[in-house]
Amino acid sequence: KAGVTQTPRYLIKTRGQQVTLSCSPISGHRSVSWYQQTPGQGLQFLFEYFSETQRNKGNFPGRFSGRQFSNSRSEMNVSTLELGDSALYLCASQPGGGRLNEQFFGPGTRLTVL
Amino acid sequence: AQKITQTQPGMFVQEKEAVTLDCTYDTSDQSYGLFWYKQPSSGEMIFLIYQGSYDEQNATEGRYSLNFQKARKSANLVISASQLGDSAMYFCAMRRNSGNTPLVFGKGTRLSVIA
Repeated sequence: KAGVTQTPRYLIKTRGQQVTLSCSPISGHRSVSWYQQTPGQGLQFLFEYFSETQRNKGNFPGRFSGRQFSNSRSEMNVSTLELGDSALYLCASQPGGGRLNEQFFGPGTRLTVL
Repeated sequence: AQKITQTQPGMFVQEKEAVTLDCTYDTSDQSYGLFWYKQPSSGEMIFLIYQGSYDEQNATEGRYSLNFQKARKSANLVISASQLGDSAMYFCAMRRNSGNTPLVFGKGTRLSVIA
């Protein structure tokens, strides 16, 4: 079974630009969550999508948005990039429903904002 | 609110020795799950082990075991027979079992295995 895939793996942008990151969950998984990891703040939850609907949202500004497609693939978008958005963005997939013990992460996208 | 505390920023262990990574948590929920993840320098978060709050037995997965002490709210990870490839960051995380709640992570412990 293929794991969670994220593209691109590395990205360099400049302040003010926008960026779109992609995540393909494990086949059959319907829930996709996004996390931001920085040295200062650690791992912080961004949002979760289930069956194309945002089901949960963390405490991030509106510049951070996401969506999920009918095939469960998800994208997150960050507009008007700031230096502080430099981070590792991790996507996690889980089956959804009551199987709470399964949440698997992708390799992450490392975003650098110059 | 939920909180995870990992008090060991860094740990060293000799190859083939066992090591315990500490994790304490705080929650008012009765039903929750506890997770351990390994993050090598490549960045990927690798799921290691899961313990449900109502599981009576400690979880084990190969060389990994979770020492779950519910009354003390601790969920320590024990790695037996350490290998050089175990050198990585280790994160303890939890989530409540009600609703669709995200994982809450600790700050992590960097484990270095010495030959």
